[in-house]
Amino acid sequence: EAGVAQSPRYKIIEKRQSVAFWCNPISGHATLYWYQQILGQGPKLLIQFQNNGVVDDSQLPKDRFSAERLKGVDSTLKIQPAKLEDSAVYLCASSLVGSPEQYFGPGTRLTVT
Amino acid sequence: DQQVKQNSPSLSVQEGRISILNCDYTNSMFDYFLWYKKYPAEGPTFLISISSIKDKNEDGRFTVFLNKSAKHLSLHIVPSQPGDSAVYFCAAPGQYGGSQGNLIFGKGTKLSVKP
Repeated sequence: EAGVAQSPRYKIIEKRQSVAFWCNPISGHATLYWYQQILGQGPKLLIQFQNNGVVDDSQLPKDRFSAERLKGVDSTLKIQPAKLEDSAVYLCASSLVGSPEQYFGPGTRLTVT
Repeated sequence: DQQVKQNSPSLSVQEGRISILNCDYTNSMFDYFLWYKKYPAEGPTFLISISSIKDKNEDGRFTVFLNKSAKHLSLHIVPSQPGDSAVYFCAAPGQYGGSQGNLIFGKGTKLSVKP
């Protein structure tokens, strides 16, 4: 069974530029999460989808971050404009509805200079 | 306010000995706990979990113990192997009753197992 796919794996941009990340969850997983992991910290939730609807985006900085999951499968996370403090690993995870076990992709390491 | 705390940033043990990783939590509403393992440049992988109705769950070399009165859980690895060297995260689902929803993670403990 294929795992959670993410691209790109690494991205370096200058501040004020925009960037987008892509995630393809495990087949059949209706719930999809985006987490931000800053160096030395645990992952922190940015947004949670169930199918193509948003369940929780309370911690998403909506002035610069946006995310969508239009067809209930793939998802994209966008940052525009990026700030230096956005440098982090962005992790996508998916799970079956009702299951606490989440499966993570390899992440995208973003460096903002 | 950190709801899940891992107070030891690192732990070093000898191959073949026991590794004990600790985790404390502050929210008494948490009813499920998970441990994840993370290698460099990879995403976290699920290792083992425990429901709050149990005080122990075992899977091969890995055992998780839960002490609800102390709001404390621990992960025991016996015997430790060099391939166990990784960062271990303790986590709890943020939504109660259904034991699902976003995971609240501790900061992680880096385990080094020396041959």
